[in-house]
Amino acid sequence: DAGITQSPRHKVTETGTPVTLRCHQTENHRYMYWYRQDPGHGLRLIHYSYGVKDTDKGEVSDGYSVSRSKTEDFLLTLESATSSQTSVYFCAISETGGAYGYTFGSGTRLTVV
Amino acid sequence: SQKIEQNSEALNIQEGKTATLTCNYTNYSPAYLQWYRQDPGRGPVFLLLIRENEKEKRKERLKVTFDTTLKQSLFHITASQPADSATYLCALDSGSARQLTFGSGTQLTVLP
Repeated sequence: DAGITQSPRHKVTETGTPVTLRCHQTENHRYMYWYRQDPGHGLRLIHYSYGVKDTDKGEVSDGYSVSRSKTEDFLLTLESATSSQTSVYFCAISETGGAYGYTFGSGTRLTVV
Repeated sequence: SQKIEQNSEALNIQEGKTATLTCNYTNYSPAYLQWYRQDPGRGPVFLLLIRENEKEKRKERLKVTFDTTLKQSLFHITASQPADSATYLCALDSGSARQLTFGSGTQLTVLP
């Protein structure tokens, strides 16, 4: 997806290990978001950022932390991965906080075994 | 609590017909409503946005309506094609929250 990349695309990790997912944008957009997508639940907001070092919790933030030290990078950390965190994680960016739509990355498929 | 419901998880229609997808919401007062398309293994792609003071918005073969009294949005694809087969998501913003809440989506299949 133009202007936004997620890494890694796929990851398998063991229960109890920390995991960091990265979202990188080249659009200089102010807002960045982390969602998880699970069957039957749709997309659920984990955390979002409205500027460098400015972050806030979403609907399903327990067990996750985020950091944004630069405009272009938004990191999502699973402090101690659990099987319930097996999911597809999407990063999204927005210039205006959603008033003109989000641009999503291609997603990271995370499996916790 | 806030809730978004999209009609039936799956919708099958014949090529050339108009597909109509429904998004209902409760306990919201959204400033705008958005529709996205998602293909398997890909992130959602923004299609259309309609504001609370707009009744209808069009883009090529797509049309969105927004009825804040009924708390409902309808998403229409006219002259549907097999390439329109995808999952369609609606999303709502509550204005000051600067974030979107998504419905779980409707999987549309257009049969040739």
